[in-house]
Amino acid sequence: AQSVSQHNHHVILSEAASLELGCNYSYGGTVNLFWYVQYPGQHLQLLLKYFSGDPLVKGIKGFEAEFIKSKFSFNLRKPSVQWSDTAEYFCAVTKGSSNTGKLIFGQGTTLQVKP
Amino acid sequence: EPEVTQTPSHQVTQMGQEVILRCVPISNHLYFYWYRQILGQKVEFLVSFYNNEISEKSEIFDDQFSVERPDGSNFTLKIRSTKLEDSAMYFCASRGSGLEQYFGPGTRLTVT
Repeated sequence: AQSVSQHNHHVILSEAASLELGCNYSYGGTVNLFWYVQYPGQHLQLLLKYFSGDPLVKGIKGFEAEFIKSKFSFNLRKPSVQWSDTAEYFCAVTKGSSNTGKLIFGQGTTLQVKP
Repeated sequence: EPEVTQTPSHQVTQMGQEVILRCVPISNHLYFYWYRQILGQKVEFLVSFYNNEISEKSEIFDDQFSVERPDGSNFTLKIRSTKLEDSAMYFCASRGSGLEQYFGPGTRLTVT
């Protein structure tokens, strides 16, 4: 069955540190890839998405992610985190062939940024 | 900016009772979804809905669950006879012609 793995459950960083959150998926066909963020007390918001084309995608708030097809990975990066980046981050995938577009989520990574 | 809304934000119910969770998707969206997240676990797909019918459902979505779009704006999830294990955060999402889904704030369902 298709699955998504996020390697880090809980990450603690100081402000200005660089961030990389890992995401791997298990599906051999075409995929659409997403990162969602959930700030404390708020709903899931789309950070960035990849459908096709340039494998390095830029999202909101200085985040970017790189799709590496050979590694089935879609890692999220930010060069310098801020305290306001404290949130839970979810990687999600849909099959490119899916008519319904259902999302399959990773288990989430809690990021805590210390001021 | 248009948003998906959900009511109530928190619902407490007794085991065996029926609950209806309500969602108002973004107005020009065509695809609607329910997901749930049990505390400490992944966000899981429950059901997708398009053109007034279920387009896909997960094995979680058994006969106790149903969805409806009773009018042009609401999208509801009904659980007929709640169990303790139905306690979770339930998220509604919608999408338009693009592939990205927009999520509501969730309803926390507590079954006692």
